[in-house]
Amino acid sequence: EVQLVQSGAEVKKPGESLKISCKGSGYSFTSYWIGWVRQMPGKGLEWMGIIYPGDSDTRYSPSFQGQVTISADKSISTAYLQWSSLKASDTAMYYCARQVSYGDYPPSFDPWGQGTLVTVSS
Amino acid sequence: QSVLTQPPSVSGAPGQRVTISCTGSSSNIGAGYDVHWYQQLPGTAPKLLIYGNSNRPSGVPDRFSGSKSGTSASLAITGLQAEDEADYYCQSYDSSLSAWHVVFGGGTKLTVL
Repeated sequence: EVQLVQSGAEVKKPGESLKISCKGSGYSFTSYWIGWVRQMPGKGLEWMGIIYPGDSDTRYSPSFQGQVTISADKSISTAYLQWSSLKASDTAMYYCARQVSYGDYPPSFDPWGQGTLVTVSS
Repeated sequence: QSVLTQPPSVSGAPGQRVTISCTGSSSNIGAGYDVHWYQQLPGTAPKLLIYGNSNRPSGVPDRFSGSKSGTSASLAITGLQAEDEADYYCQSYDSSLSAWHVVFGGGTKLTVL
């Protein structure tokens, strides 16, 4: 079974750093892009960026470029999302998801991790 | 403001049919990029519901169908059931800003009356 398991909920103070993780299993981790998606409380889905664990090629949404860093360690089949200095506005649920192409169609996200809730509050 | 526009909410009685629209522009759906749909049940992660405009992954009931025309796409749900109450999101790609990137609709909350 293809599965993405994310790290647990975090409570941080403004200005602190944070790195959350997403571990893939049940498939060749280095052969599929992994994306990160933000969902602020009561809001919709926002694409943050993607990484190809095979060579760590990374693309960022213009909205998140410079705000977060996406990385991966293919030796342990894990992707990461990190912040160097959190803000209260980073409070959200963060999902990782595998990008997969079915047929000749552009990639969709399937499956998704269970989500990591990040709360930033003083 | 999302690049893809969805109605904030739709509703229907059990057994009825509802549709959810997803309107884009010439740099995304109108440029030929296909549309995917996701279902997010309350308190859970999104799940792929429709890929490539109208294709259902294994396990998705045939009550769910999708279509695309011009700069818009639609998700239809027939024979509404209480368990369909969820948020639904469309997703495509956009080639503005000199690079492609993933775009989502703002989401539509489906209420089963």
